[in-house]
Amino acid sequence: NAGVMQNPRHLVRRRGQEARLRCSPMKGHSHVYWYRQLPEEGLKFMVYLQKENIIDESGMPKERFSAEFPKEGPSILRIQQVVRGDSAAYFCASSPDRVNGEQYFGPGTRLTVT
Amino acid sequence: QQQVKQSPQSLIVQKGGIPIINCAYENTAFDYFPWYQQFPGKGPALLIAIRPDVSEKKEGRFTISFNKSAKQFSLHIMDSQPGDSATYFCAAIGTGNQFYFGTGTSLTVIP
Repeated sequence: NAGVMQNPRHLVRRRGQEARLRCSPMKGHSHVYWYRQLPEEGLKFMVYLQKENIIDESGMPKERFSAEFPKEGPSILRIQQVVRGDSAAYFCASSPDRVNGEQYFGPGTRLTVT
Repeated sequence: QQQVKQSPQSLIVQKGGIPIINCAYENTAFDYFPWYQQFPGKGPALLIAIRPDVSEKKEGRFTISFNKSAKQFSLHIMDSQPGDSATYFCAAIGTGNQFYFGTGTSLTVIP
């Protein structure tokens, strides 16, 4: 059973460009979460999605950031007009349901904005 | 506001020692408390988790102690090994299914 997959693993963007981060949850998991981790810091919740629905986006910046989890295909975290402060590791996690509570993390995408 | 406070920030122990990492929370609505282990360049891996209806849970060399009245929980690693050197995060699940993570503890086990 493949784990949570994220791609790309490393992404370099110039200021002003767009970054697209992809996450494929574990098989059978319908809940996806995105977190951001800055160096020497813990993980900060960004958004929680189920198929075709955003359940909680309270941790996501109001501008430039968006997320989706379509009926078919991976979840996408999109950052428009990136700035240097967006440089971080972005982790996706998935879970089978809310009752269990367990979340399984992918290897992360390390975004560098030059 | 940090929902989950974790200490210490870093910890160095000798091989065979028992490092203890502590976390405290405020929100009594939290009902699931996992610990994650993260190696450099990797994603966090679920290590062990506990719910508030039990005071202790043990899996292999890892034990969680939970004090509901004090709103504190801790991770103990028995017979620590150099391979346990990693960053450990506690977390609590809140409303909306989001996790609130502690700021992490960098553990170094000296051979």
